[in-house]
Amino acid sequence: EDQVTQSPEALRLQEGESSSLNCSYTVSGLRGLFWYRQDPGKGPEFLFTLYSAGEEKEKERLKATLTKKESFLHITAPKPEDSATYLCAVQADSNYQLIWGAGTKLIIKP
Amino acid sequence: NAGVTQTPKFQVLKTGQSMTLQCAQDMNHEYMSWYRQDPGMGLRLIHYSVGAGITDQGEVPNGYNVSRSTTEDFPLRLLSAAPSQTSVYFCASSYSMPSLRERHNEQFFGPGTRLTVL
Repeated sequence: EDQVTQSPEALRLQEGESSSLNCSYTVSGLRGLFWYRQDPGKGPEFLFTLYSAGEEKEKERLKATLTKKESFLHITAPKPEDSATYLCAVQADSNYQLIWGAGTKLIIKP
Repeated sequence: NAGVTQTPKFQVLKTGQSMTLQCAQDMNHEYMSWYRQDPGMGLRLIHYSVGAGITDQGEVPNGYNVSRSTTEDFPLRLLSAAPSQTSVYFCASSYSMPSLRERHNEQFFGPGTRLTVL
Protein backbone atom coordinates (compact mmCIF):
# COMPACT_ATOMS: atom_id res chain seq x y z
CA GLU A 1 0.00 0.00 0.00
CA ASP A 2 1.27 3.45 -0.92
CA GLN A 3 2.10 5.42 2.21
CA VAL A 4 3.66 8.73 3.28
CA THR A 5 4.99 9.32 6.80
CA GLN A 6 6.31 12.60 8.15
CA SER A 7 8.50 13.02 11.22
CA PRO A 8 8.68 14.46 13.72
CA GLU A 9 5.06 15.42 14.37
CA ALA A 10 6.24 18.65 15.96
CA LEU A 11 9.59 20.41 16.19
CA ARG A 12 10.50 23.36 18.37
CA LEU A 13 13.65 25.29 17.52
CA GLN A 14 15.30 28.46 18.66
CA GLU A 15 15.68 31.19 16.07
CA GLY A 16 18.81 30.46 14.08
CA GLU A 17 18.91 26.75 15.02
CA SER A 18 19.05 24.73 11.80
CA SER A 19 17.31 21.36 11.46
CA SER A 20 15.55 19.00 9.05
CA LEU A 21 12.07 17.61 8.57
CA ASN A 22 11.61 14.12 7.15
CA CYS A 23 9.11 12.70 4.69
CA SER A 24 9.48 8.97 4.07
CA TYR A 25 7.40 7.25 1.43
CA THR A 26 6.53 3.75 0.28
CA VAL A 27 5.11 3.76 -3.24
CA SER A 28 5.28 1.46 -6.22
CA GLY A 29 6.93 4.13 -8.32
CA LEU A 30 7.48 7.80 -7.61
CA ARG A 31 6.24 10.35 -10.13
CA GLY A 32 6.72 13.39 -7.91
CA LEU A 33 7.10 14.56 -4.32
CA PHE A 34 5.60 17.86 -3.22
CA TRP A 35 6.20 20.11 -0.22
CA TYR A 36 3.58 22.57 0.99
CA ARG A 37 3.52 25.04 3.86
CA GLN A 38 0.34 25.60 5.88
CA ASP A 39 -0.14 28.53 8.26
CA PRO A 40 -2.78 28.26 11.02
CA GLY A 41 -6.29 28.83 9.71
CA LYS A 42 -5.15 28.88 6.07
CA GLY A 43 -4.89 26.53 3.15
CA PRO A 44 -1.63 24.85 2.13
CA GLU A 45 0.76 26.86 -0.04
CA PHE A 46 3.04 25.20 -2.59
CA LEU A 47 6.80 25.19 -1.94
CA PHE A 48 8.60 22.59 -4.08
CA THR A 49 8.25 19.66 -6.45
CA LEU A 50 10.98 16.99 -6.67
CA TYR A 51 10.90 14.31 -9.37
CA SER A 52 13.99 12.12 -9.08
CA ALA A 53 16.49 10.94 -6.48
CA GLY A 54 19.36 13.36 -6.05
CA GLU A 55 17.30 16.39 -6.98
CA GLU A 56 17.44 19.47 -4.73
CA LYS A 57 15.39 22.67 -4.67
CA GLU A 58 15.98 25.82 -2.61
CA LYS A 59 13.88 28.77 -1.56
CA GLU A 60 15.21 31.30 0.94
CA ARG A 61 16.07 29.34 4.11
CA LEU A 62 14.52 26.10 2.86
CA LYS A 63 16.14 23.34 0.86
CA ALA A 64 14.36 20.15 -0.17
CA THR A 65 16.23 16.99 -1.12
CA LEU A 66 15.07 13.61 -2.41
CA THR A 67 16.34 10.04 -2.16
CA LYS A 68 14.67 6.81 -3.29
CA LYS A 69 12.98 6.40 0.10
CA GLU A 70 12.61 9.83 1.63
CA SER A 71 12.77 13.57 1.30
CA PHE A 72 14.21 16.08 3.69
CA LEU A 73 13.23 19.69 4.13
CA HIS A 74 16.27 21.42 5.56
CA ILE A 75 15.74 24.74 7.26
CA THR A 76 18.81 26.90 7.79
CA ALA A 77 18.94 29.65 10.44
CA PRO A 78 15.15 29.74 10.77
CA LYS A 79 13.19 32.80 11.79
CA PRO A 80 9.89 32.97 13.72
CA GLU A 81 8.04 33.60 10.47
CA ASP A 82 9.07 30.12 9.31
CA SER A 83 6.73 28.68 11.94
CA ALA A 84 4.07 26.65 10.16
CA THR A 85 3.00 23.10 9.42
CA TYR A 86 4.93 21.58 6.53
CA LEU A 87 3.10 18.99 4.44
CA CYS A 88 4.57 16.40 2.13
CA ALA A 89 2.63 14.68 -0.66
CA VAL A 90 3.56 12.01 -3.17
CA GLN A 91 2.24 11.14 -6.62
CA ALA A 92 2.75 7.44 -7.34
CA ASP A 93 2.79 5.54 -10.63
CA SER A 94 -0.14 3.41 -9.48
CA ASN A 95 -2.50 6.28 -8.61
CA TYR A 96 -2.21 9.73 -10.03
CA GLN A 97 -3.93 11.35 -7.05
CA LEU A 98 -1.70 12.69 -4.30
CA ILE A 99 -1.02 10.80 -1.08
CA TRP A 100 -0.50 13.25 1.78
CA GLY A 101 1.47 12.97 4.98
CA ALA A 102 0.05 14.26 8.27
CA GLY A 103 2.55 17.11 8.44
CA THR A 104 5.23 18.44 10.77
CA LYS A 105 4.39 21.43 12.93
CA LEU A 106 7.45 23.65 13.14
CA ILE A 107 7.70 26.28 15.88
CA ILE A 108 10.56 28.77 15.86
CA LYS A 109 11.04 30.67 19.11
CA PRO A 110 12.65 34.13 19.03
CA ASN B 1 -6.84 37.77 -8.88
CA ALA B 2 -8.69 36.52 -5.83
CA GLY B 3 -7.33 32.99 -6.35
CA VAL B 4 -9.46 30.29 -4.70
CA THR B 5 -12.26 31.51 -2.46
CA GLN B 6 -14.41 29.46 -0.09
CA THR B 7 -17.53 30.27 1.87
CA PRO B 8 -18.49 30.04 4.64
CA LYS B 9 -15.37 30.11 6.80
CA PHE B 10 -17.14 28.48 9.75
CA GLN B 11 -20.34 26.44 9.97
CA VAL B 12 -22.16 24.49 12.68
CA LEU B 13 -24.77 21.95 11.64
CA LYS B 14 -27.03 19.54 13.44
CA THR B 15 -27.01 15.87 12.50
CA GLY B 16 -29.19 15.31 9.45
CA GLN B 17 -29.03 18.85 8.11
CA SER B 18 -27.76 19.51 4.61
CA MET B 19 -25.64 22.34 3.32
CA THR B 20 -23.43 23.44 0.45
CA LEU B 21 -19.84 24.60 0.76
CA GLN B 22 -18.98 27.08 -1.96
CA CYS B 23 -15.72 27.20 -3.89
CA ALA B 24 -14.72 29.49 -6.75
CA GLN B 25 -11.50 30.21 -8.62
CA ASP B 26 -10.66 32.97 -11.07
CA MET B 27 -7.51 31.46 -12.62
CA ASN B 28 -9.28 29.52 -15.39
CA HIS B 29 -7.99 26.26 -13.94
CA GLU B 30 -9.31 23.00 -15.38
CA TYR B 31 -8.73 20.83 -12.34
CA MET B 32 -10.55 21.40 -9.04
CA SER B 33 -10.77 19.22 -5.99
CA TRP B 34 -12.18 19.00 -2.48
CA TYR B 35 -10.18 17.70 0.48
CA ARG B 36 -10.91 17.21 4.12
CA GLN B 37 -8.27 17.65 6.80
CA ASP B 38 -8.55 15.90 10.14
CA PRO B 39 -6.10 16.04 13.09
CA GLY B 40 -3.23 13.59 12.77
CA MET B 41 -4.14 12.63 9.22
CA GLY B 42 -3.07 13.73 5.79
CA LEU B 43 -5.40 15.55 3.45
CA ARG B 44 -7.96 13.18 1.97
CA LEU B 45 -9.51 13.69 -1.44
CA ILE B 46 -13.31 13.74 -1.50
CA HIS B 47 -14.24 14.57 -5.10
CA TYR B 48 -12.53 16.18 -8.05
CA SER B 49 -13.36 17.66 -11.44
CA VAL B 50 -11.34 17.88 -14.63
CA GLY B 51 -13.59 20.46 -16.26
CA ALA B 52 -17.14 21.77 -16.49
CA GLY B 53 -19.61 18.90 -16.44
CA ILE B 54 -17.05 16.26 -15.39
CA THR B 55 -16.63 15.06 -11.82
CA ASP B 56 -15.32 11.92 -10.16
CA GLN B 57 -14.93 10.38 -6.72
CA GLY B 58 -11.83 10.54 -4.61
CA GLU B 59 -10.79 8.53 -1.57
CA VAL B 60 -13.68 9.46 0.77
CA PRO B 61 -16.75 10.43 -1.31
CA ASN B 62 -19.56 8.94 0.80
CA GLY B 63 -22.01 11.54 2.11
CA TYR B 64 -20.89 14.23 -0.33
CA ASN B 65 -22.03 15.36 -3.77
CA VAL B 66 -20.42 17.76 -6.21
CA SER B 67 -21.25 19.41 -9.51
CA ARG B 68 -19.28 21.58 -11.94
CA SER B 69 -21.56 23.66 -14.13
CA THR B 70 -18.89 26.30 -14.86
CA THR B 71 -15.09 26.37 -14.93
CA GLU B 72 -15.06 28.76 -11.97
CA ASP B 73 -17.36 27.08 -9.43
CA PHE B 74 -17.17 23.73 -7.67
CA PRO B 75 -19.64 23.44 -4.77
CA LEU B 76 -19.59 20.56 -2.29
CA ARG B 77 -22.92 19.36 -0.90
CA LEU B 78 -23.37 17.50 2.35
CA LEU B 79 -26.55 15.49 1.93
CA SER B 80 -27.33 14.59 5.56
CA ALA B 81 -24.63 15.78 7.94
CA ALA B 82 -23.11 13.35 10.44
CA PRO B 83 -20.68 14.01 13.32
CA SER B 84 -18.01 12.07 11.36
CA GLN B 85 -18.07 14.89 8.81
CA THR B 86 -16.75 17.37 11.37
CA SER B 87 -13.57 18.53 9.69
CA VAL B 88 -11.83 21.35 7.86
CA TYR B 89 -12.64 21.35 4.17
CA PHE B 90 -10.31 22.72 1.51
CA CYS B 91 -10.99 23.40 -2.12
CA ALA B 92 -8.02 23.42 -4.48
CA SER B 93 -7.40 24.09 -8.16
CA SER B 94 -4.58 23.58 -10.60
CA TYR B 95 -3.91 24.34 -14.24
CA SER B 96 -4.34 20.83 -15.54
CA MET B 97 -5.41 17.44 -14.38
CA PRO B 98 -2.89 14.90 -13.14
CA SER B 99 -3.06 11.58 -14.89
CA LEU B 100 -1.07 8.40 -15.23
CA ARG B 101 0.96 10.20 -17.87
CA GLU B 102 0.94 13.73 -16.53
CA ARG B 103 2.42 14.81 -13.23
CA HIS B 104 0.59 16.94 -10.69
CA ASN B 105 0.92 20.67 -11.06
CA GLU B 106 1.14 23.13 -8.19
CA GLN B 107 -2.24 23.25 -6.48
CA PHE B 108 -3.76 26.48 -5.18
CA PHE B 109 -5.81 26.08 -2.03
CA GLY B 110 -8.65 28.11 -0.62
CA PRO B 111 -8.67 29.30 3.02
CA GLY B 112 -10.87 26.40 4.17
CA THR B 113 -14.25 25.90 5.83
CA ARG B 114 -14.29 24.64 9.41
CA LEU B 115 -17.41 22.49 9.81
CA THR B 116 -18.78 21.15 13.09
CA VAL B 117 -21.65 18.66 13.09
CA LEU B 118 -23.39 18.24 16.43
